[in-house]
Amino acid sequence: GENVEQHPSTLSVQEGDSAVIKCTYSDSASNYFPWYKQELGKGPQLIIDIRSNVGEKKDQRIAVTLNKTAKHFSLHITETQPEDSAVYFCAAARGSTLGRLYFGRGTQLTVWP
Amino acid sequence: NAGVTQTPKFQVLKTGQSMTLQCAQDMNHNSMYWYRQDPGMGLRLIYYSASEGTTDKGEVPNGYNVSRLNKREFSLRLESAAPSQTSVYFCASSEWGDAGELFFGEGSRLTVL
Repeated sequence: GENVEQHPSTLSVQEGDSAVIKCTYSDSASNYFPWYKQELGKGPQLIIDIRSNVGEKKDQRIAVTLNKTAKHFSLHITETQPEDSAVYFCAAARGSTLGRLYFGRGTQLTVWP
Repeated sequence: NAGVTQTPKFQVLKTGQSMTLQCAQDMNHNSMYWYRQDPGMGLRLIYYSASEGTTDKGEVPNGYNVSRLNKREFSLRLESAAPSQTSVYFCASSEWGDAGELFFGEGSRLTVL
């Protein structure tokens, strides 16, 4: 099956700085790569996703890049704010079974005011 | 708008006891999922139901059974609980299996002694 590696496991940044989280995947057939944010005591919530026919996608302060050749994708958060503090998960899926996600182990992001 | 509702939120079991986790969604979604989340392990898919009347195994199905009771409800049963099943369980739904975004409940924390 698919194996998704995520780094770093913890990340601390100052408010206003940028944060970057990186993931690699093993299954070349994977073609859907979402990012989920999980706040304490809550379920994960989708913040952005990208499909394999696109190299980059932006939504305000959040962007995701995908390199299919190298099998890696990254989440970029600019102008970080304390409310960005949470656990972030990358994931991968393929074909018509996009709910069958393979998750990375998560990154605890802390944004210090 | 309740979204995905899970019950119970907390449960303590003794080894060998059985229990059922309940999940209901009010978004008229076709596909539903059960994931478990363990510290440092991300989320792993236990079972999913692509549509009413169908269920399939995910990544870690051993020790679990599921029932898609109707379009709204998807239950997860532990027939003989083991300490290795101590985890936080998340139910999720999506419009269709290929629709992308999963909507998660708030989780059910299960401890098996």
